[in-house]
Parts: sequence; C-alpha cells; structure tokens
Amino acid sequence: SAVISQKPSRDICQRGTSLTIQCQVDSQVTMMFWYRQQPGQSLTLIATANQGSEATYESGFVIDKFPISRPNLTFSTLTVSNMSPEDSSIYLCSVAVGQDANTQYFGPGTRLTVL
Amino acid sequence: GQNIDQPTEMTATEGAIVQINCTYQTSGFNGLFWYQQHAGEAPTFLSYNVLDGLEEKGRFSSFLSRSKGYSYLLLKELQMKDSASYLCAALDSNYQLIWGAGTKLIIKP
Repeated sequence: SAVISQKPSRDICQRGTSLTIQCQVDSQVTMMFWYRQQPGQSLTLIATANQGSEATYESGFVIDKFPISRPNLTFSTLTVSNMSPEDSSIYLCSVAVGQDANTQYFGPGTRLTVL
Repeated sequence: GQNIDQPTEMTATEGAIVQINCTYQTSGFNGLFWYQQHAGEAPTFLSYNVLDGLEEKGRFSSFLSRSKGYSYLLLKELQMKDSASYLCAALDSNYQLIWGAGTKLIIKP
C-alpha cells in the first residue's frame, strides 16, 4: 500500500478565488489520480496525472478549470480555479500500486466549501 | 455504456451476516474492487477479484462471476464499526475504474 497525505484537509473559499490542493505520497508512484466526490455521490474521476506528461482529463473537466502539476513521482497538485458554489465537494487524490498497478489507494481528501 | 449497479442502502443487525451485490457492464474487464468508505473519510481498499470465485479475508469475503457480470461482498459477524458505504468499482479495458454509487450499510444493535 501507500501512505498519502493531502493539504489542506478542508477550506472555505469565496466565489471567484482559486485553491491549490497538494498530494504527497510516501513512495514513488507512476500513476496518480484526482477525484471529486459530492455529498451522497460516488467518485468522479477528474484527471490522471503521470509524471513527465500532461494530465489526461475526463469528459466535463478542463485544464483551465482544474490545472494539475506533477513535478515528481511523489507529489501532485490540483488547482480549483475561479471557484463557484458548485465546486463545493471533497477532492481526493489516489495512487495506483500493487503488482499490476491496479489497486488505488486514496488520500484523506480535501473538503472544499465555496460560498 | 458502462454501468455499475448496487443497492443504495441496506440495514443489518450486529453479529449477523450481510451480502452486498454489485452488477457491472464495462468495455472489457480487468477486475472488480470493493472499497469501504466511512462518512467524511476517504475510501479504503477492501478487495480485488479478477478470477471467478470467492476470496476470503477475515470477516470479509468477495465473490466474482465474470460470465454474469456480478460480484458480492459478504460481511460476517457484523460490528457497529462496519456501518459505512461500500463502493463497487470495475476496471475496464483501459484500466480505468468505473465506480458504483455505493451502498450505505446501516448496522443496528
């Protein structure tokens, strides 16, 4: 498995501002993922972030709104830009580890509230 | 399209056994995961099945039938701390996880 930390754990932000969420892993991993989970909903994949390449975004998510950095194999950031109340959610990073790099382990999440 | 179906909510009694079912339709298949998620916390990995059959891990077991597109998570000797949401997720041919909406399990004394 992997130990994953996220900062901040929670934040309350004003509409129109941006927040950068950090994800740190205790080991080198190739694949990192950013998810969003709105209350009572399942996980929605925002993008896949591999070191050394541009992040791959899922349908409905764009780089201008959710820029991602992946400077090395243990760290990634997700920025939620120009926030609106609809962005209020839990944002989770995960990493794929295991024999076939299939099993995903999650960070503790960042609870974002936009006023 | 790709789809995961699991019950929205289940209720069981402490000490009893509960089975949470999951059916999936994906473009290709590379395995089925179960995660546990307590309220306000991140999902934690429970099990991974890629071959047909039952995998037992302590009080939790997971079953897979690839021909039927079906899996279940079996929880024995239920404890109050097992109250959580249980997420079923299938890995498709692109190795992308397709997530179910989760089953909220309520344990009553």
